[in-house]
Amino acid sequence: GNSVTQMEGPVTLSEEAFLTINCTYTATGYPSLFWYVQYPGEGLQLLLKATKADDKGSNKGFEATYRKETTSFHLEKGSVQVSDSAVYFCALSDGDDKIIFGKGTRLHILP
Amino acid sequence: GAVVSQHPSRVICKSGTSVKIECRSLDFQATTMFWYRQFPKQSLMLMATSNEGSKATYEQGVEKDKFLINHASLTLSTLTVTSAHPEDSSFYICSAKKGDQPQHFGDGTRLSIL
Repeated sequence: GNSVTQMEGPVTLSEEAFLTINCTYTATGYPSLFWYVQYPGEGLQLLLKATKADDKGSNKGFEATYRKETTSFHLEKGSVQVSDSAVYFCALSDGDDKIIFGKGTRLHILP
Repeated sequence: GAVVSQHPSRVICKSGTSVKIECRSLDFQATTMFWYRQFPKQSLMLMATSNEGSKATYEQGVEKDKFLINHASLTLSTLTVTSAHPEDSSFYICSAKKGDQPQHFGDGTRLSIL
């Protein structure tokens, strides 16, 4: 079945550091891929998405490229801020309404 | 942007009581609403999918009689946890979508059963 695996946290970085959160997926078809962010005490917000191979999703300085050959969708940001502290979920949707989430990666950014 | 409101944000109640959680789409008519459950440090697990005016479709392993879902209108879905017990304590999140648009998530409800 379809699944998403992402690196376990927590990830702790200093402000302005480079961020990578790894995500790989398993899917039978050609899924759409997503990154969601969950700030403390809040629901999920869509951060970015990509719907086909080699697409790059980007938003708020975050980027992720849909790599079919490595079945990956790693999240990157060149210079993180304290306000980026949150839990990040990689997810996929394979043609129906269902979204399958990874376990989430908690990110702490130190000032 | 689209907003989904969930109420209450937090509820604490005694074992054996029933708890109702509301999910409203505030600025769009949601053809489909979803209910998720999130355990501490775990991912969101889809519990059920509901379409307005029809019965909810439950995921495998989710008790229909335990988690009652009512999607009464295009802007409101409710989840009732019946005869709640401590193992039902969790973070419940709803989402809503219109047509093939992305799902928009509520802020979640933290349920604590004593």
